[in-house]
Amino acid sequence: KNEVEQSPQNLTAQEGEFITINCSYSVGISALHWLQQHPGGGIVSLFMLSSGKKKHGRLIATINIQEKHSSLHITASHPRDSAVYICAVSRNYGGSQGNLIFGKGTKLSVKP
Amino acid sequence: DAMVIQNPRYQVTQFGKPVTLSCSQTLNHNVMYWYQQKSSQAPKLLFHYYDKDFNNEADTPDNFQSRRPNTSFCFLDIRSPGLGDAAMYLCATSRRLTSGSGYTQYFGPGTRLTVL
Repeated sequence: KNEVEQSPQNLTAQEGEFITINCSYSVGISALHWLQQHPGGGIVSLFMLSSGKKKHGRLIATINIQEKHSSLHITASHPRDSAVYICAVSRNYGGSQGNLIFGKGTKLSVKP
Repeated sequence: DAMVIQNPRYQVTQFGKPVTLSCSQTLNHNVMYWYQQKSSQAPKLLFHYYDKDFNNEADTPDNFQSRRPNTSFCFLDIRSPGLGDAAMYLCATSRRLTSGSGYTQYFGPGTRLTVL
């Protein structure tokens, strides 16, 4: 079983729809990251969370530490949101502190 | 703008011919990482530097080496590329924070390596 699980693996939405991507993890973490990767491109860090909720524009990320679960929401989705969204966690022990454990990503396609 | 730069963006090499990928950063971060990402897979950490301290992942093949001559630059050397080494190689940096507070990794655009 992967330490970081994302769902769904693939998601197709119509422009304007509200989108939710889920992430659950099974290890102790110091932070959870949501990353965005466009086709053929590098990775952009969207959020880093250790508790609660963060909002940036149309993106909202929440985390429930007790349930070891996080969600990424996109409101009023747009075709330019089409990308792979990756959940990653950084473990809360020393030594390898800072190394990320990645989920397999959710491929989002928003149709006009 | 402060950023992570990777050169070249696309690299083609021949089977067995050594290749070097480069990464530079203007963020003055202590930590630099190299990831390998194959198609439709999550990035896989190869190694990272914390300042000059080199940390190799246990399953990183010996064929992969790295150098960090100074804070700003880090190189990935592939001594004898095989067909299986064709991938996107991502460099990232972070400022190492105290335990429990987390940090953000800043990624470069990646170098796509093709092995003929």
